[in-house]
Order: sequence, then structure tokens, then C-alpha cells
Amino acid sequence: DTAVSQTPKYLVTQMGNDKSIKCEQNLGHDTMYWYKQDSKKFLKIMFSYNNKELIINETVPNRFSPKSPDKAHLNLHINSLELGDSAVYFCASSQGANQPQHFGDGTRLSIL
Amino acid sequence: AQRVTQPEKLLSVFKGAPVELKCNYSYSGSPELFWYVQYSRQRLQLLLRHISRESIKGFTADLNKGETSFHLKKPFAQEEDSAMYYCALATDSWGKLQFGAGTQVVVTP
Repeated sequence: DTAVSQTPKYLVTQMGNDKSIKCEQNLGHDTMYWYKQDSKKFLKIMFSYNNKELIINETVPNRFSPKSPDKAHLNLHINSLELGDSAVYFCASSQGANQPQHFGDGTRLSIL
Repeated sequence: AQRVTQPEKLLSVFKGAPVELKCNYSYSGSPELFWYVQYSRQRLQLLLRHISRESIKGFTADLNKGETSFHLKKPFAQEEDSAMYYCALATDSWGKLQFGAGTQVVVTP
């Protein structure tokens, strides 16, 4: 299946822990993104990589660190999780800028 | 500053009635605008982009630069149109998307 896939789908963990979310796309796209969707369903971009290089870095706490080992993967590592990090995190990819973005199913992160 | 405004959080319409979702934007450059849709338990997906000027699932959206609007319209709503709709503006050459707050559409029989 050609798609953007994220793992895990659900992540429940305690405050202070470190966790990672993985994202892979097999669409051959060169640009990947991470978005955060809060409890009010508002979507905000966090990071974007183009051919493994960071191109967009919004005002995000430095506890969040994206890593792109190759252009098909963009992982998100979060250190010292806080209650406010509870959200749904979406990965997306596109073939170049301003082209339609293809989204993953999202990872629902819940901090206890 | 760039901004996308969707004034309606929730839009409830009857099946067969027209539906219009409002989207206004604020951007000094040449805008690239999109509508994305998220059906229940599905991923966010592209519905329309202004540059292609096409109709998808009966929906159309026209860019009005004078009114800085990109409203989404459908003449006859169907129950399967119930979903969350996001208007989005691409604000730089890297495709950074600025999303509106979203409008939840509920179509009742």
C-alpha cells in the first residue's frame, strides 16, 4: 500500500518519559512534515524536512527533536514529556513545496 | 502576519440543502489555498486546491482575491459529507501550510 504510515497509533505514557514516533512514506516524496493537533482540533506545523534537511522549524520546545535518516523517514523524539504534549501528531509528505500533502493516520499521545 | 480564519466551528445542515464553509485569509503574497477533509476515523486528505479549479465530490471553491476568501460550497449536501473541513494556506516556498481552526460539518437526514 502506498501511503504515509506512522507508528505507534496510540501512545500512553507518564510525565517525564522520553518517547519516539516514527513516520515512513513510500510515495517517493522529498518533503516530510510533522503537525500537532490539539484538543480543539487545531492543526499546527512543527517541522519540515526536504531531502533530509531541516527547512521549517516552528517555535517548538527543544524537547522535540526530529530526525530524518533518509528522505522516506522522519521520526519525532520527545524528551521529558509534559501534560501539554498530549495531542494527536500527524506526519505528512509532499512532492515538492506547495504540492498537496499526504497525511498519516496520526499518533494519539496521552500523558498521564 | 499570515492567517486563515474559518469563522464557523460547527455547521449543521439537512441532507439535500446547500452548504457553504467560509474561509478568509490574510497574506501579502500570492496565495496557494487548499481545502482538506477529515472523515471520522480517517486520515486528513486533500479535497481541493484553488490552482486546479476542479470539483471534487460535488464541492467547489473559488479564490476571491478582492475579498481574500476561499469559501467551499456544495449545492446539495449528502450524509457522507459529514466531516471536519480545514482551509489551508501555503505561506512560503517550502510549502509550509497554515491551517484554519476547522469547521465540523454534520449533515442530518
